[in-house]
Amino acid sequence: EAGVTQFPSHSVIEKGQTVTLRCDPISGHDNLYWYRRVMGKEIKFLLHFVKESKQDESGMPNNRFLAERTGGTYSTLKVQPAELEDSGVYFCASSPQGGNEAFFGQGTRLTVV
Amino acid sequence: GQNIDQPTEMTATEGAIVQINCTYQTSGFNGLFWYQQHAGEAPTFLSYNVLDGLEEKGRFSSFLSRSKGYSYLLLKELQMKDSASYLCAVIRSGGYQKVTFGTGTKLQVIP
Repeated sequence: EAGVTQFPSHSVIEKGQTVTLRCDPISGHDNLYWYRRVMGKEIKFLLHFVKESKQDESGMPNNRFLAERTGGTYSTLKVQPAELEDSGVYFCASSPQGGNEAFFGQGTRLTVV
Repeated sequence: GQNIDQPTEMTATEGAIVQINCTYQTSGFNGLFWYQQHAGEAPTFLSYNVLDGLEEKGRFSSFLSRSKGYSYLLLKELQMKDSASYLCAVIRSGGYQKVTFGTGTKLQVIP
């Protein structure tokens, strides 16, 4: 069974550019989470989808970040325009409804220069 | 809101036992995860506690006291490969679960 996959694994972009991160959760998992870890700091929650609906987006830092989950399958996280402080590792995780374990992808390392 | 506290760093000797504590304050508690994260990698699941008591899984055990808002992860027979960050994460209910992580404890195992 395929795990949670994220694309790309690394991205280096210039300040002001746009980047889109993609997450494919485990098939059938209703819950999808985005997290971010900035160097030296804790993993921070960004938002939580249940199927295609945003259940909780309280962790989204500002309106430069836009997350979507079309059809309740894969999700994208767009950063536009990117700023230097957006650099970090973006993790995606999924879990089944009522499940007690979240499965993580390998993360996307974003570097804004 | 939620507040999760863990020690920032710990050092222990190969072959020894180490206990990593986690305290939390949250509403709607619905369970607690422990994850291991090696540098540059995604977190990997270690344990899940929702009831009070000790859950043992090989060299790793996790304990939960809901009344005290306290958990610990116990690692026995430490190996060099256990050097990693250990993340405590609290699940809050409310229709659907939301997982919030602590800052993580960086464990260094020395010979």
